[in-house]
Amino acid sequence: DAEITQSPRHKITETGRQVTLACHQTWNHNNMFWYRQDLGHGLRLIHYSYGVQDTNKGEVSDGYSVSRSNTEDLPLTLESAASSQTSVYFCASSEPTGEAFFGQGTRLTVV
Amino acid sequence: QKEVEQNSGPLSVPEGAIASLNCTYSDRGSQSFFWYRQYSGKSPELIMFIYSNGDKEDGRFTAQLNKASQYVSLLIRDSQPSDSATYLCAVKGGYNFNKFYFGSGTKLNVKP
Repeated sequence: DAEITQSPRHKITETGRQVTLACHQTWNHNNMFWYRQDLGHGLRLIHYSYGVQDTNKGEVSDGYSVSRSNTEDLPLTLESAASSQTSVYFCASSEPTGEAFFGQGTRLTVV
Repeated sequence: QKEVEQNSGPLSVPEGAIASLNCTYSDRGSQSFFWYRQYSGKSPELIMFIYSNGDKEDGRFTAQLNKASQYVSLLIRDSQPSDSATYLCAVKGGYNFNKFYFGSGTKLNVKP
């Protein structure tokens, strides 16, 4: 069965460190998204991609970057982790006309 | 103004009752509408999608869409304690047709 997987599931890092969260999907979807979820804010879009070599900023992109070198993967990098980036991160993928399929999430704590 | 608005709740209903969850959206060009359920500590999972005005039923769930009023709702009949979760409304289409816009979710509590 096709799936979307995130790793790691939990991560604790120190302020100022670079962190990369992995997202891998086997749906062969062109569209991939990264969200963060915090209490009271719902899902907020960080970055998204509509295909290989395409990346776009979402509403809360400051301090984050992504790259898309193949269809399956969209890694999210925190350039210099800050305590404000402590959150739960979800990766999702979709076809242009369909629903979003979510990964299991990564709980990131920045200390 | 947020793209998608939901009442954060919590919405409390007794077991067996009908739970009504509501969502409004701002982009009149939106074309696809989704309801996700999210249990605490888990990822969102799709319950229903609706594309056309009117009602769409799937088991105990009914999605209702009114594009003129920019309003979408989810009815859960015969609510069960296992329905207790946060329900996220998502809208897609409009001026950026590939992006999803999520509401902040409504927390539903079904009391035995």
